[in-house]
Amino acid sequence: NAGVTQTPKFRVLKTGQSMTLLCAQDMNHEYMYWYRQDPGMGLRLIHYSVGEGTTAKGEVPDGYNVSRLKKQNFLLGLESAAPSQTSVYFCASSYSVGGGRGYEQYFGPGTRLTVT
Amino acid sequence: AQTVTQSQPEMSVQEAETVTLSCTYDTSESDYYLFWYKQPPSRQMILVIRQEAYKQQNATENRFSVNFQKAAKSFSLKISDSQLGDAAMYFCAYRSGTASKLTFGTGTRLQVTL
Repeated sequence: NAGVTQTPKFRVLKTGQSMTLLCAQDMNHEYMYWYRQDPGMGLRLIHYSVGEGTTAKGEVPDGYNVSRLKKQNFLLGLESAAPSQTSVYFCASSYSVGGGRGYEQYFGPGTRLTVT
Repeated sequence: AQTVTQSQPEMSVQEAETVTLSCTYDTSESDYYLFWYKQPPSRQMILVIRQEAYKQQNATENRFSVNFQKAAKSFSLKISDSQLGDAAMYFCAYRSGTASKLTFGTGTRLQVTL
């Protein structure tokens, strides 16, 4: 049981290049999330998904796109990277919420992305 | 919108002593959940403790306990018998009872000294 995994762990991009971050979970969670972590700002939600084939915008969605074609995978894409997207990116997953359930989110190890 | 505030950017504690990390939040909801996550230098986010707003009893997990003051919207974390391995960033987080996203505070960096 690997939990939540992220690929790659590190990446350096030049301004304008594109890339996709892959998140995979083997816990059969319905919900998946992408966060970014910047110094002094905690984690901020980029996009999330409440099920296969669904996506929704979070707090800071601009410049990112996501897809959830399979329940276990959640992809984060940067079409034209900018230096402001230099950050550490975390993927997380959880069971569905509501009905009094307070399931916590399980996090991947993070991806450090640098855009020069 | 909900906000989470951690007013202590850094804290320090001696090994074996007790330390309390502060967290306040703002919400108009009655059904919600609060969490403390630990982020060691490895960068991995680890759940430390969870509190349901409808429960009056404070959550406890071994050396970690919370002081949940619902009326004051305060959710502090107490670490007893501090160990070197407790050194990390600690994040307080809020989740609505019906929504899925977490709102994080800015974190408190805890140093543990000999």
